[in-house]
Amino acid sequence: DQQVKQNSPSLSVQEGRISILNCDYTNSMFDYFLWYKKYPAEGPTFLISISSIKDKNEDGRFTVFLNKSAKHLSLHIVPSQPGDSAVYFCAASAGDYKLSFGAGTTVTVRA
Amino acid sequence: DAMVIQNPRYQVTQFGKPVTLSCSQTLNHNVMYWYQQKSSQAPKLLFHYYDKDFNNEADTPDNFQSRRPNTSFCFLDIRSPGLGDAAMYLCATSGNPGQEGISEPTDTQYFGPGTRLTVL
Repeated sequence: DQQVKQNSPSLSVQEGRISILNCDYTNSMFDYFLWYKKYPAEGPTFLISISSIKDKNEDGRFTVFLNKSAKHLSLHIVPSQPGDSAVYFCAASAGDYKLSFGAGTTVTVRA
Repeated sequence: DAMVIQNPRYQVTQFGKPVTLSCSQTLNHNVMYWYQQKSSQAPKLLFHYYDKDFNNEADTPDNFQSRRPNTSFCFLDIRSPGLGDAAMYLCATSGNPGQEGISEPTDTQYFGPGTRLTVL
């Protein structure tokens, strides 16, 4: 049973506009959430994370929002750049050294 | 730069022929993980080591084994690869906050580039 879901397999956005990626989870024990970015033929790269004691974390162009009551998090990329074209994975942890991953969202940034 | 290295990047093996994939890290992290990822799917955790303690996932087939001879190295052994084992295999590490130089929470994992396994 998949505990982390990314319901949009793909997203296309114009360069300079905002990209919004969504992620839902079912396990109320998750207390730490991460986003990873993956280029073809490479391993996932850690992008940004958020603890359950916060509802927002920002790092440059990337902001993650957490809505615990809705068990929902999102990643905002502003402004989107061509180099942001990649697969983005949402992941969650219950503090047991293990991550549960979503299936990923492929982002394509159009020039 | 500190990093996670996987060798080889591409591995071709024959059906039933044992294969070993290698992972090394210079991060001095005490937790190492092996994941299997198939196209358009989430990475699936096979097992992890916390220091020398091996932790197998309940649904990991017996065909998959692992060794961690020291902090830096971890190996994935596939004893009799089947066609269904063709996938990307990812190694990852995470650090204990109590370790010197480790500031990130334990749950942040750092991945290697992966090994693409083809089974003929």
